Amino acid sequence: KQEVTQIPAALSVPEGENLVLNCSFTDSAIYNLQWFRQDPGKGLTSLLLIQSSQREQTSGRLNASLDKSSGRSTLYIAASQPGDSATYLCAVTSGTYKYIFGTGTRLKVLA
Amino acid sequence: SAVISQKPSRDICQRGTSLTIQCQVDSQVTMMFWYRQQPGQSLTLIATANQGSEATYESGFVIDKFPISRPNLTFSTLTVSNMSPEDSSIYLCSVEDHEGLDYEQYFGPGTRLTVT
Repeated sequence: KQEVTQIPAALSVPEGENLVLNCSFTDSAIYNLQWFRQDPGKGLTSLLLIQSSQREQTSGRLNASLDKSSGRSTLYIAASQPGDSATYLCAVTSGTYKYIFGTGTRLKVLA
Repeated sequence: SAVISQKPSRDICQRGTSLTIQCQVDSQVTMMFWYRQQPGQSLTLIATANQGSEATYESGFVIDKFPISRPNLTFSTLTVSNMSPEDSSIYLCSVEDHEGLDYEQYFGPGTRLTVT
């Protein structure tokens, strides 16, 4: 049974810092890994999608990497801003439609 | 990318009543999904709604409690029946959109339900 864990559970950093969020999964036979952002009380916004054949994806200040063999993904946020404050979720799918979500990392960027 | 809307955005309901949540997508999709996010928790898949067939429920979720309709390829409803305070959650619908080999999941804004 696939399990997805995110570390740390919460993170508070000063504005301008580069930071790394971690996601690990127990079954390396994944098809996709997707990173989402969720603002309090809101839905999810897709940030980056990495297919199993890819090693990383970039969008603006965000870079996500994937190491399938070790069951890990990282989300790198460069030059963090207060507007980046949110909960970040990773989710994996094993080729079916079913996404398994991680527990999330609550990020707070201090001005 | 698919754009998804949900109604209502939030509601406060009394225990024992039912609430129907609507989900509308701006393009035709084969599968729509309903998730629940309990306070402080991550997302849990409730069921998958396919047009023209009965919804497929995940372990721990039953049709009598969460009936789902999927009348066409752009619309679905989820009903939370006979509500109790434990049903207080954010309910989200999502779709899987694909371009070529990329399958990406998109979410609606969610419905925040409080049961008193």
